[in-house]
Amino acid sequence: DSGVTQTPKHLITATGQRVTLRCSPRSGDLSVYWYQQSLDQGLQFLIQYYNGEERAKGNILERFSAQQFPDLHSELNLSSLELGDSALYFCASSVDSEFYEQYFGPGTRLTVT
Amino acid sequence: GDSVTQMEGPVTLSEEAFLTINCTYTATGYPSLFWYVQYPGEGLQLLLKATKADDKGSNKGFEATYRKETTSFHLEKGSVQVSDSAVYFCALSDPGGGATNKLIFGTGTLLAVQP
Repeated sequence: DSGVTQTPKHLITATGQRVTLRCSPRSGDLSVYWYQQSLDQGLQFLIQYYNGEERAKGNILERFSAQQFPDLHSELNLSSLELGDSALYFCASSVDSEFYEQYFGPGTRLTVT
Repeated sequence: GDSVTQMEGPVTLSEEAFLTINCTYTATGYPSLFWYVQYPGEGLQLLLKATKADDKGSNKGFEATYRKETTSFHLEKGSVQVSDSAVYFCALSDPGGGATNKLIFGTGTLLAVQP
């Protein structure tokens, strides 16, 4: 158990809908990262927050957004969902933003039908 | 930009065989290198890491050495077990001036160990 929790574990929804994925980092970790794992794109970095502020952005679509709250949990919002958004979404956390390894949650499997 | 290339799988071995999974990288700065493992139906677990050239990371019988001259970080284990069956990801983190340690992953290598 990494100490990172993600909810829900599974999510099935229809095209055009909007969903919210939630992540709670390990106790004491200030940085949260979101990654997408899909068959065609592999594991891709989406976005990072550090202590409530956006720190880095990767291949994140404009239909996707995220935030980190004062209690350090984070939410990833996916809107206008398409079939191609079906993937595993992982959250990871680390103590700092630069030099500490990341610990991954179990992931949320999103299926868009 | 930065990238990681790892050998295509699947790799199928018999129990107690020697394992090598090749990984090479391209980076503009001085990256840290990682191996993560993903067991079926689970998230990624950090297996080992190395933060500078010639460092050797090791854990659970797995080893990898950071080779700057060949830009490689190959994963090895002397004697694999059935329980090692998983997908292995090589990754790098290259903060540079961006103050982020976002991970860049290879495509993953599926290892299947047969009894």
